[in-house]
Amino acid sequence: SQTIHQWPATLVQPVGSPLSLECTVEGTSNPNLYWYRQAAGRGLQLLFYSVGIGQISSEVPQNLSASRPQDRQFILSSKKLLLSDSGFYLCAWRQLDRATGELFFGEGSRLTVL
Amino acid sequence: AQRVTQPEKLLSVFKGAPVELKCNYSYSGSPELFWYVQYSRQRLQLLLRHISRESIKGFTADLNKGETSFHLKKPFAQEEDSAMYYCALSGGFGNEKLTFGTGTRLTIIP
Repeated sequence: SQTIHQWPATLVQPVGSPLSLECTVEGTSNPNLYWYRQAAGRGLQLLFYSVGIGQISSEVPQNLSASRPQDRQFILSSKKLLLSDSGFYLCAWRQLDRATGELFFGEGSRLTVL
Repeated sequence: AQRVTQPEKLLSVFKGAPVELKCNYSYSGSPELFWYVQYSRQRLQLLLRHISRESIKGFTADLNKGETSFHLKKPFAQEEDSAMYYCALSGGFGNEKLTFGTGTRLTIIP
């Protein structure tokens, strides 16, 4: 069966420090991978998605970047965090299959920037 | 551009009463529509998708292309339906972006 792992679960970082959130998927190959930010009143905001290694689509210009160094690994990064980067980040995957299209979510990473 | 609108941030319904969570979308092609749910302390998960035409936990949703809507309905609310509900849209094969609405928090009053 497929599983998705996301870490760290919680993170407290000072303004200006770097960030690295990691997401890995097991039990499948060539998944589509997604990073979302979940905020009260704003719902789920799509940040990045990837359809293959090294292929990243950015949805929102911001202080963050994403990379996909391996087929089942998706990393969210920042060189210098801002206060506004605080939030709950969700990684998700889906198989490219028109019959299902279901998105499977990780447990999320809560980032607090002080 | 693709967009999903959920006009209600909060919705409270008495147990046993009908429930309707509204969702409208904007997309120029043929969309795939979904409803996702997040129960307290659980992961966000798929509730149903329009292509399956299924009823899950008593919920149904019909895609109305004329009104560009995909409202979620249940005839008799149950306390365990209290959760956060998100409507989502995908453009399907070749368009892998999955866009979510802002969500509606449903509270069932005992």
